[in-house]
Amino acid sequence: QSVLTQPPSVSGAPGQRVTISCTGSSSNIGPGFDVHWYQQFPGTAPKLLIHTNSIRPSGVPDRFSASRSGTSASLAITGLQAEDEADYYCQSYDSGLSGSLFGGGTKLTVL
Amino acid sequence: QVQLQESGPGLVKPSQTLSLTCTVSGGSISSGSYYWSWIRQPAGKGLEWIGRIYSSGSTNYNPSLKSRVTISVDTSKNQFSLKLSSVTAADTAVYYCAREGVGMPHFDYWGQGILVTVSS
Repeated sequence: QSVLTQPPSVSGAPGQRVTISCTGSSSNIGPGFDVHWYQQFPGTAPKLLIHTNSIRPSGVPDRFSASRSGTSASLAITGLQAEDEADYYCQSYDSGLSGSLFGGGTKLTVL
Repeated sequence: QVQLQESGPGLVKPSQTLSLTCTVSGGSISSGSYYWSWIRQPAGKGLEWIGRIYSSGSTNYNPSLKSRVTISVDTSKNQFSLKLSSVTAADTAVYYCAREGVGMPHFDYWGQGILVTVSS
């Protein structure tokens, strides 16, 4: 089954820690394919936030971290800031597609 | 700094073919280290990978679109293109081009996106 499942929404107050889950299957995260995360603000293109499960590209604050275990992955944001309010997508290679698969996206609201 | 820029018609009639081009600057599309991909996003919805091409012309397509999609590359112009045939309103979306590393299947550079509306 070529699906990556994310919660539609999460929220947190400034300064808090939030996590976003990404649940895959035996055709994507399960066999060991890496998970990547993107941040998207309204009207703009997605931006690579985390790649290869846990690696932050240059310029991404260390408040953002991620991990992968089994058929799931998660993105954690600590010290939540108003500017973090955005949509977040996970992505992995899927053997059924022979290409990339994105999660449905999670809208983060900073209360 | 690598930049990608989509171009093409913003309005396509139903049953016709959507055609978009992505121009790459700041790097060679022939470098051999990257795939060049198309991704789309309907309004208010998530991202859908359409397909990718390597500089050699080798392609991979999303099975759900494979019968209607053609991605091609023009290394002399440092461009790659998307054709999607027999479009319907369901193909209305923002279309992005993006760069994906070979052996590193994440998208590190994206175009700004182009809205394509399918309507008569």
